[in-house]
Amino acid sequence: QSALTQPASVSGTPGQSITISCTGTSSDIGGYNFVSWYQQHPGKAPKLMIYDVSERSSGISYRFSGSKSGSTASLTISGLQPEDEATYYCTSYTSGNTLRVFGEGTKLTVL
Amino acid sequence: QVQLQESGPGLVKPSETLSLTCSVSGGSVISGSYYWSWVRQPPGKGLEWIGYVFYSGTTNYNPSLKSRVSISVDTSKNQFSLTLSSVTAADTAVYYCARDVILRYFDSWGQGTLVTVSS
Repeated sequence: QSALTQPASVSGTPGQSITISCTGTSSDIGGYNFVSWYQQHPGKAPKLMIYDVSERSSGISYRFSGSKSGSTASLTISGLQPEDEATYYCTSYTSGNTLRVFGEGTKLTVL
Repeated sequence: QVQLQESGPGLVKPSETLSLTCSVSGGSVISGSYYWSWVRQPPGKGLEWIGYVFYSGTTNYNPSLKSRVSISVDTSKNQFSLTLSSVTAADTAVYYCARDVILRYFDSWGQGTLVTVSS
C-alpha cells in the first residue's frame, strides 16, 4: 500500500499562512471523508489536529483548518507562530488491506 | 480525559519477541466506540499502523506485519498488549499505543516507548 504523498518540507514566516498538501487515490482520500492530520514535535507523540477532513480537534486553534478536493487533502495554518514548527502527518482510511495509510510527513519551519 | 501509557523492555535481541503493554486510565477499553491501536515510528521516519484490538478481542493487523504480530486486550486490567515475534533491527522504533475512533482517526496517544533491537 503506497503512502500518501506530502511535501517533505514547507516554510513560512510568523503571521503568514501555509498549506500542506496530502495526495492519495480514490481508494483512500478520494473515496472517504476520513482524513486526519497530526502535529508532532521532536521527541513527542503525535497530536490530533484535524479529523474527518475539516473538523478541529478539541482545543485546537481556529488557525488550523482542513479541506479536501478529489484525492488531495490540505492542512492550512494561518497566522503562523513559532510553536507551529513541527512535522505534520496526514492519514486516511483506505479500502485497501492496510485499512489506513499515512503520509510521509511534512516538516514545517517557521523562519 | 483518557490517558495511555506504554510499558515494556527497551531492548530486545534479534530473533526474539517484543512485548509491550498499554495501560488505559480515565476511560475504559470496554467501549463500542473505539479500537485500541499500536503505531510505530522508526528513528527519523514516519508513522506505521501496526494493528488494533476491539474490546471483544477482535483484531486486525497491517498485512506487512501480520505473520509476526499479535494484539490482545485485558478488560479486567484495562490494558491492551502487543507482541511482535522474530524481530530484527528494522523493528527498532518508538512504539505508540493510541485510541482509535473506529478507523477514522487517533484521538489519544501514549507518550511512546523506544524499543531497540540489538544483541
